[in-house]
Amino acid sequence: EAGVAQSPRYKIIEKRQSVAFWCNPISGHATLYWYQQILGQGPKLLIQFQNNGVVDDSQLPKDRFSAERLKGVDSTLKIQPAKLEDSAVYLCASSLDGTSSSYNSPLHFGNGTRLTVT
Amino acid sequence: GQQLNQSPQSMFIQEGEDVSMNCTSSSIFNTWLWYKQEPGEGPVLLIALYKAGELTSNGRLTAQFGITRKDSFLNISASIPSDVGIYFCAGSGSYQLTFGKGTKLSVIP
Repeated sequence: EAGVAQSPRYKIIEKRQSVAFWCNPISGHATLYWYQQILGQGPKLLIQFQNNGVVDDSQLPKDRFSAERLKGVDSTLKIQPAKLEDSAVYLCASSLDGTSSSYNSPLHFGNGTRLTVT
Repeated sequence: GQQLNQSPQSMFIQEGEDVSMNCTSSSIFNTWLWYKQEPGEGPVLLIALYKAGELTSNGRLTAQFGITRKDSFLNISASIPSDVGIYFCAGSGSYQLTFGKGTKLSVIP
């Protein structure tokens, strides 16, 4: 099966500019996640969608970050305006059903978008 | 939020040696997952653990879900050069997955 697709692979922007990332999950996966991975750390959840609804966005900096999954398939993550500390790899992941308490649907990750803010 | 302590932070081992790394948490988890990440790629699932005390193998990899539900370990036997990468533990108490900071493994041929 095709994996999680993300684009672009790399993006360099200046602070205060805006940027958008795109993700296409594995076909049939209801749950989609956006993670931020800062160099030397593990991935940190930004937002989780179940179909086109938001399950958890408690760690999303909503003053500058936004995400949508309008038709329950593809998703975009936007940062506006970007700050230096937003430099990180943004990983998209999907799972069949990530809302069960025992987490029986493991996450499949894309290769990420590496963002550099200068 | 939930915190995971993963150790060691990095390891340098000789090819053929066995490796052990672990994760501990102050919170109880229902699920433990182990991922491997190589440069420029996303994490790839290695082993999933769903029950306290569970011991699961995947080839040369063995992982265990601690009895207290607050810890897990991963062992790699007879390491080879392609084992190089960063290994992450991840735990879930509800539907949210928390990742450790990773163990960077280097294998000397």
